[in-house]
Amino acid sequence: AQSVTQLDSHVSVSEGTPVLLRCNYSSSYSPSLFWYVQHPNKGLQLLLKYTSAATLVKGINGFEAEFKKSETSFHLTKPSAHMSDAAEYFCVVSDDGGNQFYFGTGTSLTVIP
Amino acid sequence: DTAVSQTPKYLVTQMGNDKSIKCEQNLGHDTMYWYKQDSKKFLKIMFSYNNKELIINETVPNRFSPKSPDKAHLNLHINSLELGDSAVYFCASIASGGSYNEQFFGPGTRLTVL
Repeated sequence: AQSVTQLDSHVSVSEGTPVLLRCNYSSSYSPSLFWYVQHPNKGLQLLLKYTSAATLVKGINGFEAEFKKSETSFHLTKPSAHMSDAAEYFCVVSDDGGNQFYFGTGTSLTVIP
Repeated sequence: DTAVSQTPKYLVTQMGNDKSIKCEQNLGHDTMYWYKQDSKKFLKIMFSYNNKELIINETVPNRFSPKSPDKAHLNLHINSLELGDSAVYFCASIASGGSYNEQFFGPGTRLTVL
């Protein structure tokens, strides 16, 4: 069975410092992994996705994530946080058929000016 | 030219009422979903339809009834609304046929039951 664990429910960083949002997954096969961002009172927007083409995935707004099979991790990073990055972030794994998606519980990112 | 749209955006109603939320996507996708997001931001899948056929039906009270008149629309009807139904409901769609395809989400419908 597939599942996702987001290790931190809240992360606070100062503007201009690096961001690290952690995600570990459980999957019985080679997974499809996604990061979504949800700004306050908005819908979910795709940041990036892992499709097995490359282990380091670059997304929008300067975010990237690295797929590490040995660690079953897909952590999201950004070198320098911006105030506009304050949002809820969801790590997602999909099933083998690509029909069902399993969401993590979300990480709320606060950026301190 | 919104990709996935939902109406209404906000819905405030009394306990015991029946209400519907509509979702439409203009992406030509085959599969659509309803999710419920609670006050702690946790997203729970409720239903999924592929080409108007129900393919995922999680443990949801039978007061919730989805309807897909065509593959571009997936509506959610809720009977006898309860306080615990208060949440944000998101519609999403995906192009089927690839395990790397991502979901596209609507803006959400915030339902408040008084």
